[in-house]
Amino acid sequence: AQSVSQHNHHVILSEAASLELGCNYSYGGTVNLFWYVQYPGQHLQLLLKYFSGDPLVKGIKGFEAEFIKSKFSFNLRKPSVQWSDTAEYFCAVRRNNRLAFGKGNQVVVIP
Amino acid sequence: NAGVTQTPKFQVLKTGQSMTLQCAQDMNHEYMSWYRQDPGMGLRLIHYSVGAGITDQGEVPNGYNVSRSTTEDFPLRLLSAAPSQTSVYFCASLPLKGGNTGELFFGEGSRLTVL
Repeated sequence: AQSVSQHNHHVILSEAASLELGCNYSYGGTVNLFWYVQYPGQHLQLLLKYFSGDPLVKGIKGFEAEFIKSKFSFNLRKPSVQWSDTAEYFCAVRRNNRLAFGKGNQVVVIP
Repeated sequence: NAGVTQTPKFQVLKTGQSMTLQCAQDMNHEYMSWYRQDPGMGLRLIHYSVGAGITDQGEVPNGYNVSRSTTEDFPLRLLSAAPSQTSVYFCASLPLKGGNTGELFFGEGSRLTVL
C-alpha cells in the first residue's frame, strides 16, 4: 500500500522565518512527487512537481523542494514566509495511476 | 473551459438516505477520481477511473459506488449515508496521454453532512 508521511502537522511561525516541511514515502520504483497547497476555503492548487532530472525543483511563490532518492524524501522549503503563505500543504506521490496524499501540514504565519 | 465541476456544493442528509455527487470535466481527461478530506487525515482516495467503463477502488471505497459511462462524467453514489461519511469531497482529473504533467485538476469541493 502506498504511504506518504508528513510530520509536524501544525506549524506556527513569524513572517520572514524560513519554512521546511518534510515528506517521506514508503515504496520504491518510479514515482512522481508533488506538493499542493490549500488556502482557507479553497481547493488544492499545485505548488511544484518532480518527475525526473534536477532533484531540486522550484515552484510558484518562492517555494522549492528537493528530492532525495536514497531517503525517499521530497521536502518543501521557503526561505522567507509571508502571512499569505498561511495554508495547508499536502505532499502527494503518484505511482502508476494512483495518487496518494499525506495528511497535510497546517501552516500559520503570524504577521 | 469550465474545468472540473462538482455539484452540489453543500448537502445535508439523514442517516440512511441516498444521494449522488456529480462530477464533470470538459478537458477530455482520461483519469478521474474522488477524494474525501477530513481534518488531520489529508485526502484519501475513494475510487478512481482511467477511462470510460473502467473504475477501481482507492483507500476508502466502502459505502461508495461509482460508474464511468462517459469520459466527462464520474458520479459518486452514497447508497445509505452514515454519519462517518460527513466530509468534504473533491473530484479531480488529469490527462493520461499527450504530455501528461501529472498535475491533478480539482473541483471546488462538496461539503456533505450526514445527521
